[in-house]
Amino acid sequence: AQSVAQPEDQVNVAEGNPLTVKCTYSVSGNPYLFWYVQYPNRGLQFLLKYITGDNLVKGSYGFEAEFNKSQTSFHLKKPSALVSDSALYFCAAGDTGNQFYFGTGTSLTVIP
Amino acid sequence: EAQVTQNPRYLITVTGKKLTVTCSQNMNHEYMSWYRQDPGLGLRQIYYSMNVEVTDKGDVPEGYKVSRKEKRNFPLILESPSPNQTSLYFCASSSLDWTSSFGPQAFFGQGTRLTVV
Repeated sequence: AQSVAQPEDQVNVAEGNPLTVKCTYSVSGNPYLFWYVQYPNRGLQFLLKYITGDNLVKGSYGFEAEFNKSQTSFHLKKPSALVSDSALYFCAAGDTGNQFYFGTGTSLTVIP
Repeated sequence: EAQVTQNPRYLITVTGKKLTVTCSQNMNHEYMSWYRQDPGLGLRQIYYSMNVEVTDKGDVPEGYKVSRKEKRNFPLILESPSPNQTSLYFCASSSLDWTSSFGPQAFFGQGTRLTVV
């Protein structure tokens, strides 16, 4: 079955430190990969995507993600975390059949 | 402003009473989809539509219906709601132009919190 895994339900990081939110996928073919962020009582907002090309993708708000085909991973990263980055983060994959698969989400808390 | 609009935002209903959650987008997107979000399960796709009159099941379609009579609208219908359909629902739309710098980024609505008692 196609799936996206986010192994950490919760990630805590101190403000100013680098952050990583992990994502691995099991989707056939060459899936499109995404990161979305959800703030309380809001819909999901797009952060970045990988379609093809450079394995390091830069997105909104200083976030970036590294695609690793051999490890089927697409980890989200930011060099210096802000308190305002605290939110729920979702990794997603789209297959060639146009279905999308989301991970279970990782709650990021940035501690002042 | 590009947006996906869902209504209502909050709904409490009783078991068995048919309801419809509306979704409308103003971006002329071909692709629209519905998700439900449950704690510990993330978002699961219910139905999706590639274009007018073209719909297909996602991962959890049981108990739901959709229709796509117009490009901008994609209502979610619960013919006989049950308590296990209590959830937070999101509608999303995206372009199918994979070469676009924006596609296939999905735009999400604000969500509809449904409670079935």
